[in-house]
Amino acid sequence: AQSVTQPDIHITVSEGASLELRCNYSYGATPYLFWYVQSPGQGLQLLLKYFSGDTLVQGIKGFEAEFKRSQSSFNLRKPSVHWSDAAEYFCAVGLTGANNLFFGTGTRLTVIP
Amino acid sequence: GAGVSQSPSNKVTEKGKDVELRCDPISGHTALYWYRQSLGQGLEFLIYFQGNSAPDKSGLPSDRFSAERTGGSVSTLTIQRTQQEDSAVYLCASSPDIHSGPPTDTQYFGPGTRLTVL
Repeated sequence: AQSVTQPDIHITVSEGASLELRCNYSYGATPYLFWYVQSPGQGLQLLLKYFSGDTLVQGIKGFEAEFKRSQSSFNLRKPSVHWSDAAEYFCAVGLTGANNLFFGTGTRLTVIP
Repeated sequence: GAGVSQSPSNKVTEKGKDVELRCDPISGHTALYWYRQSLGQGLEFLIYFQGNSAPDKSGLPSDRFSAERTGGSVSTLTIQRTQQEDSAVYLCASSPDIHSGPPTDTQYFGPGTRLTVL
């Protein structure tokens, strides 16, 4: 079945440590790829997106993501996490011909001092 | 500038009642989406409006759910005869549709309406 998978429900990292959030998709064609962040009580905010070209994309707040076609993955990374990064992170996929985005179930990030 | 706004922020209702949720998109955005976010789930697409075109209702889970968009701006999502499984956060998003349309245009999300059906 077509899907977006975020295998980690909850991740805890120490402030200053590096972070990688995993996202895998299973669609026939290369989809459009997005990462959104949702802070408590807030709407989703776009961190970055990939459509084509350079497979390493830079986003806001120091985040980056790498598209790996062979692994059908689009993992989100940050070299040094700040306490303010604690939030829920959603990977999403867009498909040509579909109006909506397809979202993963999210990864909740906790940052400890 | 103002973002997407939604009202109310919280709604508690009794099973069987009807509810209306409102979304004010960013001014000038032609595309509007409704999603539902249930506990522990990702966002589930409900409905999409684009200008004056017929809406894409393919995500509506039952005929108890309906939505309209008046004047190409404000949208109202109506749930009739609410059930406990309707409890969720309902998110609205709008998009400027400046590129080729969905799904490449960035969707800007509101803070959501948390609906609790007792």
